Order: sequence, then C-alpha cells, then structure tokens
Amino acid sequence: AQSVTQLDSHVSVSEGTPVLLRCNYSSSYSPSLFWYVQHPNKGLQLLLKYTSAATLVKGINGFEAEFKKSETSFHLTKPSAHMSDAAEYFCVVTKPGGYNKLIFGAGTRLAVHP
Amino acid sequence: NAGVTQTPKFQVLKTGQSMTLQCAQDMNHEYMSWYRQDPGMGLRLIHYSVGAGITDQGEVPNGYNVSRSTTEDFPLRLLSAAPSQTSVYFCATKQTSGNNEQFFGPGTRLTVL
Repeated sequence: AQSVTQLDSHVSVSEGTPVLLRCNYSSSYSPSLFWYVQHPNKGLQLLLKYTSAATLVKGINGFEAEFKKSETSFHLTKPSAHMSDAAEYFCVVTKPGGYNKLIFGAGTRLAVHP
Repeated sequence: NAGVTQTPKFQVLKTGQSMTLQCAQDMNHEYMSWYRQDPGMGLRLIHYSVGAGITDQGEVPNGYNVSRSTTEDFPLRLLSAAPSQTSVYFCATKQTSGNNEQFFGPGTRLTVL
C-alpha cells in the first residue's frame, strides 16, 4: 500500500525568501514520486519527478526536490520565492510501471507576499 | 496539438439531473482517467481506462459511469446528480510505458444544487 502526507496545508513566505514544502511518503515498493503545481483555476502541471535515478531532482521554475529513502521524504524547495509561485502544490507517489495509479497528497497552498 | 481538452468548463445541475463530462486527447495515450478534486483532499481517482473497450473503477466510483469506445475520448457520466458530486473534475492521460507522468486537462467545475 502507498500513501503520501503533505505536512503543511498552508505555507506563507515573503518574495525572495526560500520555499520549503514538505512531503513524506509510505510505499512497500521503490516508488516514483512527483510534484505537481496548480495555479488558480488551472489544471495541474508537472514540476518534477523522481524515478530512481539521481536523488536530487531539478524541475521547472527553479524548484528542486531531494529523495531521502531513510527519511521517506521528498521535500520541494526553491532558493528564492517569486510572486508567480503562489499556487497549490501536490506531492504524488506511485508504483513504477505503466498501469499503476497515482496517489495524491492533500496539497499545500503556497502564498507569497511582497 | 491540443493535449487534453475538457468540456464544459462550468456546469450547474439540479439534484437528479444527468449529464456527461467530455474528455478528449490527441496524444495517442492508452491510459485515461478521471479525478475529482475537493478542498483538503487532493485528487481522488474515479475511473480509469487502459485502452479502448477497457475501463475500471478507482477510489470513488459510485454515482459515475464511463466508457471508452475510442483511444481519444473518455466521457464521464453522472446518471442522477447529487450535491455530494459538487467538485472540480479533471481528466488525465499518460503513456502506459515510462515514468507515469500524467497530463491533465483544464478541469470542469460542477455544482449540483
């Protein structure tokens, strides 16, 4: 069985400060992990993905995430927040393979203040 | 390429009415799925299909029907709408090989009164 927990439902940062969105997962298999972003009234866009290659994964718009097996974590970070980063972020876990279902976390809403 | 398209963007129904949410893709993906998004609950899988003629239930299938007669289309039917089905609905597709990246449509916001 798999599950994913996003530890913060809301995160608020000032523009130019670092962003940390936390995600812990549970999986009985070596998982594939993703972060998706959803801007207001939009669909979901893939930010980055981990699929058992490098543990530090770089994504779009300056985001990156580190897979830590010992901590079962896949936290999303960005060195300097921009106003356009304000959105909802979803951590997703799945078992590698073509037909396997995605399990979504509840989401973290990121607010960025001037 | 249009990617994944959904119609309508918004819909208001009365309890007991039926309707079909449309989803179409031009990426030749075998796998298509429907999710609903509710506040604080992330996305939950309703139904999915791994190819034309093949469908299966997801996490929350009750009250919804699907069919897959072509690779391109995967409509979601509400036979008798209930207020509990008020939600935002997303269609998503992916290849059945590779790393499971899903491509999402823009969503349909449904309100059932």
